[in-house]
Amino acid sequence: QLQLQESGPGLVRPSETLSLTCTVSGGSISSVIYDWAWIRQPPGKGLEWIGTISYTGDTYYNPSLQSRVTISVDMSKNQFSLNLSSVTAADTAIYFCARQGTWTATVDWCFDYWGQGNLVTVSS
Amino acid sequence: DIQMTQSPSSLSASVGDRVTITCRASQGISNYLGWYQQKPGKVPKLLIYGASTLQSGVPSRFSGSGSGTDFTLTISSLQPEDVATYYCQKYNLAPFTFGPGTKVDIK
Repeated sequence: QLQLQESGPGLVRPSETLSLTCTVSGGSISSVIYDWAWIRQPPGKGLEWIGTISYTGDTYYNPSLQSRVTISVDMSKNQFSLNLSSVTAADTAIYFCARQGTWTATVDWCFDYWGQGNLVTVSS
Repeated sequence: DIQMTQSPSSLSASVGDRVTITCRASQGISNYLGWYQQKPGKVPKLLIYGASTLQSGVPSRFSGSGSGTDFTLTISSLQPEDVATYYCQKYNLAPFTFGPGTKVDIK
């Protein structure tokens, strides 16, 4: 059974960089069928897609965050990571990593496996 | 970018009722739409992809329809375990935008 687990600090100071890692177990991150994504959810609010990376390193970012976001992949560790720079209180959210299908996947480009989420609070 | 809206934002219905949630895209997205269920304090779960295809393991009381700009998620007979917020998500092209959500509870 595929599992995803986010890890990283729960508190980040304003203007600093938020860094999270997602470790994938029970399956390989090196897949042509699936990409890997970050999604966030501010407390009590809706879901916001942050960005997606393929195992080849191709990335797609939300235009609203693009200038501050970097997603990378480490196939040797079966992990992918999120860096979000210059954070403010508005970046306080639960950050989820997820597996995303592609056109050749059964689920198209939907998110079919999710991590449990990592609450990150931006505060001094 | 294409914007996604949902209506209603919340609803309350009785057990056994038929419930319909609407999702609208600001431009046509063919059938490139998914639906997710997020129970309180839990992780979102994929219910439907391709606007109408039920994900494996999802109860048959859930169904989806629509194409282009207008989509619906229907729960044919609402159950207590269906209390959740439901989100639509477009995926014709990035950005993969979610709708604002519809909160469903039991009357």
